[in-house]
Amino acid sequence: AQTVTQSQPEMSVQEAETVTLSCTYDTSESDYYLFWYKQPPSRQMILVIRQEAYKQQNATENRFSVNFQKAAKSFSLKISDSQLGDAAMYFCAYRSARAGHQGGKLIFGQGTELSVKP
Amino acid sequence: ETGVTQTPRHLVMGMTNKKSLKCEQHLGHNAMYWYKQSAKKPLELMFVYNFKEQTENNSVPSRFSPECPNSSHLFLHLHTLQPEDSALYLCASSQAAVHTEAFFGQGTRLTVV
Repeated sequence: AQTVTQSQPEMSVQEAETVTLSCTYDTSESDYYLFWYKQPPSRQMILVIRQEAYKQQNATENRFSVNFQKAAKSFSLKISDSQLGDAAMYFCAYRSARAGHQGGKLIFGQGTELSVKP
Repeated sequence: ETGVTQTPRHLVMGMTNKKSLKCEQHLGHNAMYWYKQSAKKPLELMFVYNFKEQTENNSVPSRFSPECPNSSHLFLHLHTLQPEDSALYLCASSQAAVHTEAFFGQGTRLTVV
């Protein structure tokens, strides 16, 4: 079975600075997807960024980028130029690339609470 | 707004009550999910529906009963719950056969008293 681990329950960053959130996972599959979701106080889970395991290039979305190390099974999220609106719970998630009914479910880590100091 | 709507947003129920949570998606997705989010714990997958058929029940107690009448609607019927069932219940949808991300509703905050 696949597992996802976020070892940092809480992180803090100064506004305009850069912060990195860690995530490791365990799987025997070779093809899969990894995601970072953001959950602000409104509780809405919002996709931040996605990485396909078959792609060597790290995904980037504006101020958000990942460091995907497939051999090490590591998937960290870097937030540059942190803004007050980035304060939220961040979840790392894994999804199998197998087609069919097993393909859709997400396996989540425990989450990292990010606070941004003005 | 992600296109997934959950009602009610908040629910307080007694242990002998029967209530239902509703989820609706307008994204044309064919897979829908129920997740439970408890404090200090990872999100737990409860049920998966693909094309209206239940394809996964993650060892959920029978006091939780899902229903998927069509690919746009998903219900979670609740009866004789326990205080430890108090949590945030999140609904999500996705395209099962296409590897896109899941879209989540805003959740129902359930308190069992």
